[in-house]
Amino acid sequence: NAGVMQNPRHLVRRRGQEARLRCSPMKGHSHVYWYRQLPEEGLKFMVYLQKENIIDESGMPKERFSAEFPKEGPSILRIQQVVRGDSAAYFCASSPGSGGYNEQFFGPGTRLTVL
Amino acid sequence: AQSVAQPEDQVNVAEGNPLTVKCTYSVSGNPYLFWYVQYPNRGLQFLLKYITGDNLVKGSYGFEAEFNKSQTSFHLKKPSALVSDSALYFCTVRDNNNDMRFGAGTRLTVKP
Repeated sequence: NAGVMQNPRHLVRRRGQEARLRCSPMKGHSHVYWYRQLPEEGLKFMVYLQKENIIDESGMPKERFSAEFPKEGPSILRIQQVVRGDSAAYFCASSPGSGGYNEQFFGPGTRLTVL
Repeated sequence: AQSVAQPEDQVNVAEGNPLTVKCTYSVSGNPYLFWYVQYPNRGLQFLLKYITGDNLVKGSYGFEAEFNKSQTSFHLKKPSALVSDSALYFCTVRDNNNDMRFGAGTRLTVKP
């Protein structure tokens, strides 16, 4: 059973370009979470999605960032007009249910570098 | 809102000695507590969790954690450390809401 897949693993963008990060959850998981990690820091929650629904986006910046989890295909985290401050590791996690007792399974992350 | 604190940025222990990585939490309802480990340039791996029941929880790689409600703590322990345990450890807390709150992490270094 494949784990959580993220691609690309590394992404380099110039300021003003768009970044698209993809996440395929574990088989049977319909709950996806996105986190951002700055160097030597913990993970900061960004957004929680179920299929075709954004459940909680309280951690997402109001501008330039968006996320989706369509009925078919991976979840996408999209960053428009990237700036240097967007450089970070972005992790996706999935879980089988929404209950707080469910552990989350993490992907290997996408490391975004903005030049 | 829930929060978690890891008071030590770094913990150094000698191989074979016991290790403790500290975590305290704050949550309004019943806490769900987790420990994750992160190796360099990797995602997080789940170690163990406390949901309910026994206060001592056993997890992967010989790790265990003790839930202490009166002290609102969930310290991670291992009786005998290995060099391969060197990594970044995150304590997390969740109530029944959606987001999981992470501590800042503790870097564990086990020296041979």
